[in-house]
Amino acid sequence: QVLLQESGPGLVKPSETLSLTCTVSGGSINSHYWSWIRQPPGKGLEWIGCINSGITNYNPSLKSRVTISVDTSKSQFSLKLSSVTAADTAVYYCARGYRGSNYDYWGQGTLVTVSS
Amino acid sequence: EIVLTQSPATLSLSPGERATLSCRATQSVSSYLAWYQQKPGQAPRLLIYDASNRATGIPARFSGSGSGTDFTLTISSLEPEDFAVYYCQQRSNWPITFGPGTKVDIE
Repeated sequence: QVLLQESGPGLVKPSETLSLTCTVSGGSINSHYWSWIRQPPGKGLEWIGCINSGITNYNPSLKSRVTISVDTSKSQFSLKLSSVTAADTAVYYCARGYRGSNYDYWGQGTLVTVSS
Repeated sequence: EIVLTQSPATLSLSPGERATLSCRATQSVSSYLAWYQQKPGQAPRLLIYDASNRATGIPARFSGSGSGTDFTLTISSLEPEDFAVYYCQQRSNWPITFGPGTKVDIE
């Protein structure tokens, strides 16, 4: 059973950098698309980006502020989102892409609030 | 960017009824369309991938159809646990995009 677990601060100040890590257990991180997806409170899902075999793809709407990286030795991948504003307040999910970007395993999600 | 629209926004039905949800893309996504179910406080759950393939462990009452720009998710007979929000998602082109969701609630 593949498990994903997000970790990181739940509160970030405006203009600072949001940093989250997703720890993967029960499966190899050396394949599949590993992705970050977010959901503002009461709203729909927004794809942030993904990494696969060291290659990243980002949502153009966030590209200038996003970095996704992977640490295979720790079976983790990470998200950094810079210059955050209140609009970045959301539940952030990490997810595994099956056969490309069909997201079959998800973390439970972590709420990140941007506020001073 | 491919924009997905879902209709209706809300579907009010009773247990045992058939639910038909629609997803339309602004350009062809071939068969690269998935459906997810999300309940309050939970992560989305993959139901259907590549338009018509049920994900592991998904009951047979869920089925998907369509190709190109028009897709349908059908729940043949609603169970109490099926009342939730359903999202479609395309993986044909970057960026990955999701539809706005259809809420299936109890009439």
